[in-house]
Amino acid sequence: ELKVEQNPLFLSMQEGKNYTIYCNYSTTSDRLYWYRQDPGKSLESLFVLLSNGAVKQEGRLMASLDTKARLSTLHITAAVHDLSATYFCAVDISGSRLTFGEGTQLTVNP
Amino acid sequence: EPEVTQTPSHQVTQMGQEVILRCVPISNHLYFYWYRQILGQKVEFLVSFYNNEISEKSEIFDDQFSVERPDGSNFTLKIRSTKLEDSAMYFCARLRDRGSPLHFGNGTRLTVT
Repeated sequence: ELKVEQNPLFLSMQEGKNYTIYCNYSTTSDRLYWYRQDPGKSLESLFVLLSNGAVKQEGRLMASLDTKARLSTLHITAAVHDLSATYFCAVDISGSRLTFGEGTQLTVNP
Repeated sequence: EPEVTQTPSHQVTQMGQEVILRCVPISNHLYFYWYRQILGQKVEFLVSFYNNEISEKSEIFDDQFSVERPDGSNFTLKIRSTKLEDSAMYFCARLRDRGSPLHFGNGTRLTVT
């Protein structure tokens, strides 16, 4: 059974600081996704990582994938309040379902 | 503009009642999914639907659940006899191709009392 683990689960940081969220998974996969969810809202796609060594960047967020280590990271640079949300990684091994991590609840304080 | 429209946005029902949640994808795609999220918890896969057939389902998707696409447009999730633990946010999602992310609808919040 595929297990997807994120850490930390809760992250409180100050504006302007940098931090990394980690996503580990237990079974070989070369497809990993990052989503953002605001309270009471749907899931918004952030990044699609489709191969080993893939790196994607959008604004203050950068995601990477190491399939050998079964690890993805989401790096936050110079955080701002608008980034406060819950971030999920999700792994696809079968092509027909995503297995999500528990989510990292990020709070950026002024 | 949302790519997947779900109705209703909120449904309250009594335990033992049947509910039907609806999803209307704007684009004509073949891959559809239902996921659920119990409040404050992670997103869980329920079922995938391809070319009008179930292609995969999770252990959550027992005999109380069914999916269909009755008119070639709407995609529905039916829960025959709701339980308290079915209270959750239910998301419909669609996939354009395997290199693309799943696009989720706005969700239906189901409350079973």
